[in-house]
Amino acid sequence: AQSVTQLDSQVPVFEEAPVELRCNYSSSVSVYLFWYVQYPNQGLQLLLKYLSGSTLVESINGFEAEFNKSQTSFHLRKPSVHISDTAEYFCAVSGRSSYKLIFGSGTRLLVRP
Amino acid sequence: DAMVIQNPRYQVTQFGKPVTLSCSQTLNHNVMYWYQQKSSQAPKLLFHYYDKDFNNEADTPDNFQSRRPNTSFCFLDIRSPGLGDAAMYLCATSRSRGNTEAFFGQGTRLTVV
Repeated sequence: AQSVTQLDSQVPVFEEAPVELRCNYSSSVSVYLFWYVQYPNQGLQLLLKYLSGSTLVESINGFEAEFNKSQTSFHLRKPSVHISDTAEYFCAVSGRSSYKLIFGSGTRLLVRP
Repeated sequence: DAMVIQNPRYQVTQFGKPVTLSCSQTLNHNVMYWYQQKSSQAPKLLFHYYDKDFNNEADTPDNFQSRRPNTSFCFLDIRSPGLGDAAMYLCATSRSRGNTEAFFGQGTRLTVV
């Protein structure tokens, strides 16, 4: 079985500042890792994913995440945030032969002017 | 180009009155999921279909049922909604298991009065 821990329920940050949203996972098998973003009253959108290969993955809007197997982490980072990045961010894990996406409890990123 | 469409976006139902939420997809994906998301919580998987094979999560209440009459459509039936069933219900699809992206609809927010 897999589980995901997002330690920070809310992260306030000023516009143009860097941000890191933390995600740790637990699994007895190899996993795939995902970050999803959810805007108010919307569904979830895939931001980026790690399947294999390079441990650093990037999204088209400037986010990146690094898979660290030894620390079982998949933290999300952005060097300079915008007001429009304000949203809920969910880290998720899937076992490699599993249908299920297991989500963390989410981190609300609040970007202030 | 909406790919996973949920209707309605907002649903108000009376306590104990059966309600059906619908989901359709234009992606021709094999797997369809229903998640329940309560306020400020992670989405929780209720059940999923792989083609016509139905897979119920062990902790999904019997009050929740699902139908998938064809590849494109999937329904969530709540037989006797209680106040605790008020939530956002998210439908998602994926091509297959594990490493493929899950595409989410915009959700149906259910209110029970």
